[in-house]
Amino acid sequence: DSGVTQTPKHLITATGQRVTLRCSPRSGDLSVYWYQQSLDQGLQFLIQYYNGEERAKGNILERFSAQQFPDLHSELNLSSLELGDSALYFCASSGGHTNEQFFGPGTRLTVL
Amino acid sequence: AQSVSQHNHHVILSEAASLELGCNYSYGGTVNLFWYVQYPGQHLQLLLKYFSGDPLVKGIKGFEAEFIKSKFSFNLRKPSVQWSDTAEYFCAVNARGSTLGRLYFGRGTQLTVWP
Repeated sequence: DSGVTQTPKHLITATGQRVTLRCSPRSGDLSVYWYQQSLDQGLQFLIQYYNGEERAKGNILERFSAQQFPDLHSELNLSSLELGDSALYFCASSGGHTNEQFFGPGTRLTVL
Repeated sequence: AQSVSQHNHHVILSEAASLELGCNYSYGGTVNLFWYVQYPGQHLQLLLKYFSGDPLVKGIKGFEAEFIKSKFSFNLRKPSVQWSDTAEYFCAVNARGSTLGRLYFGRGTQLTVWP
């Protein structure tokens, strides 16, 4: 158990819909990262938040957005879903100077 | 541009065989290096990490990796694999000493160990 929690574990929805994925980092970790894992793209970095502020953006679509709340949990919002958005979405957190990241169990999103 | 290359897409071994998975990276700065393992249906777990110091690092479950700076490599090794090592292995790199800690991952190597 990494100490990072993600909900829900599985999500099945239809094209055009909007979903919200939730992540709670390890206690004390200020950074939260979101990654997408798909068969064709591998593990891709989406976005990083540090202490409530956006710090870095990766291959995140405009239809996707995220935020980190004062209690440091984070939400990833995916809208206008397409079949190609089906993937595993991982959240990771880190703290201190080592940038070692601890991964949550992931949310498996299936878009039908 | 930053990138991580893993040389083998799929490796098949018999139990007790030795393992070496290649990883090379391209990164314009000082790096931290990681190997993660993903067992079927599970999340990423850290096998080992290199931040600084001794370039030969030991991780969990008998794995080790050697950082060769001149070759930009961080190969993963295990002297004798077990059936339970069947999993996907990811090499990753990020910037040392920065709060911009995003990980760059390789495409992964699927290891299958036959009993």
